[in-house]
Amino acid sequence: KAGVTQTPRYLIKTRGQQVTLSCSPISGHRSVSWYQQTPGQGLQFLFEYFSETQRNKGNFPGRFSGRQFSNSRSEMNVSTLELGDSALYLCASSLDPGGETQYFGPGTRLLVL
Amino acid sequence: GDSVTQMEGPVTLSEEAFLTINCTYTATGYPSLFWYVQYPGEGLQLLLKATKADDKGSNKGFEATYRKETTSFHLEKGSVQVSDSAVYFCALKTGGSYIPTFGRGTSLIVHP
Repeated sequence: KAGVTQTPRYLIKTRGQQVTLSCSPISGHRSVSWYQQTPGQGLQFLFEYFSETQRNKGNFPGRFSGRQFSNSRSEMNVSTLELGDSALYLCASSLDPGGETQYFGPGTRLLVL
Repeated sequence: GDSVTQMEGPVTLSEEAFLTINCTYTATGYPSLFWYVQYPGEGLQLLLKATKADDKGSNKGFEATYRKETTSFHLEKGSVQVSDSAVYFCALKTGGSYIPTFGRGTSLIVHP
């Protein structure tokens, strides 16, 4: 069974631009969560989607948004990029919301210049 | 709220040495506990988990025992290999929350 895939793997943007990251969960998994990982803050929860609905949201500004499609694939969008948005963005999937075991993708490394 | 505290790294060991990475937690409910590993350039992989007190999770020679009395879930391995070099994250999830709480991670470097 294929794992969680994320595209692109690496991205360089400039301040003020926007970016869209994509995540395809493991086949059969219906819940997708997004995390931001930085050296300073560690791993922080962004949001979780299930059945095309946002179920939970972390403490991030409204510039961070996401969506989920009917095939469970998910995208997250960051608008008006800031230097501090440079991070590794990880996607994780599980069978159901709050699924005890999450499976992580390799991440998208975003660099904002 | 919930929190996880891990020992600061990096932890540097020689091959075949014994490994302990400490993890303690505070939780408002009765948590499930997890260890994840992140190899360079990759995402997190679930290493092991335990869902109730005195449970021992084990995988790939790593072990951790859920100690409710000391609120700890220390990771151990009897003989580390160079290939174990990675960052290790302790995490918890309580039944009432869909959001896991992660520790800051502990970097392990194993020298030949």
